[in-house]
Amino acid sequence: QSALTQPASVSGSPGQSLTISCTGTSSDVGSYHYVSWYQQHPGKAPKLMVYEVSNRPSGVSNRFSGSKSGNTASLTISGLQSEDEADYYCSSYTSTSTPVVFGGGTKLTVL
Amino acid sequence: QVQLQESGPGLVKPSETLSLTCNVSGGSITGYYWSWIRQPPGKGLEWIGYMYYSGSTKYNPSLKSRVTISVDTSKNQFSLKLSSVTAADTAVYYCARDAGATGMIDYWGQGTLVTVSS
Repeated sequence: QSALTQPASVSGSPGQSLTISCTGTSSDVGSYHYVSWYQQHPGKAPKLMVYEVSNRPSGVSNRFSGSKSGNTASLTISGLQSEDEADYYCSSYTSTSTPVVFGGGTKLTVL
Repeated sequence: QVQLQESGPGLVKPSETLSLTCNVSGGSITGYYWSWIRQPPGKGLEWIGYMYYSGSTKYNPSLKSRVTISVDTSKNQFSLKLSSVTAADTAVYYCARDAGATGMIDYWGQGTLVTVSS
């Protein structure tokens, strides 16, 4: 069982917006601004899409945005495109004995 | 542009030690945290641990008794050793750079599949 909880799958049509949630606890997501989101296409390494809750690395489309409320962080993808179909993982810094924890991953399907 | 490349055996026998090296190019190994993360086939990501370039380390408690991460600044490389492996350690192993020891992993290697089997 992963430390952070994500939905196993989400789906949407091209052009739509959708949100992936990442629920943690007061020991991780709820207490720190260090939530990151990664996109992983099959057979590829993960790619950083959002860091520190809502910041985008250079080169990442502004269709990807992050936010946080309480113990839950969210990744919103607007104007869904076929190339967005991938697995998405969240991570958070944590005050527990494991400083970095990942979510279980969410498979995004573009219909 | 920083690039990371894992190297090491793709097949390890049960009870033996898995050893991987990550070569860092395009940037210095100093000033950052260097991580190992693994992904069993068809499953999610698992953080193994990281080492600061100066030598301090943090490991996943579930693996702590079996894991050693080391850094060779002269070669711009860092390494992973995982002892007493079982089939459950079969995974794609990624080396990566954690920009601030916070899980913000901005550079990843391509990953290398290590299979534990006799």
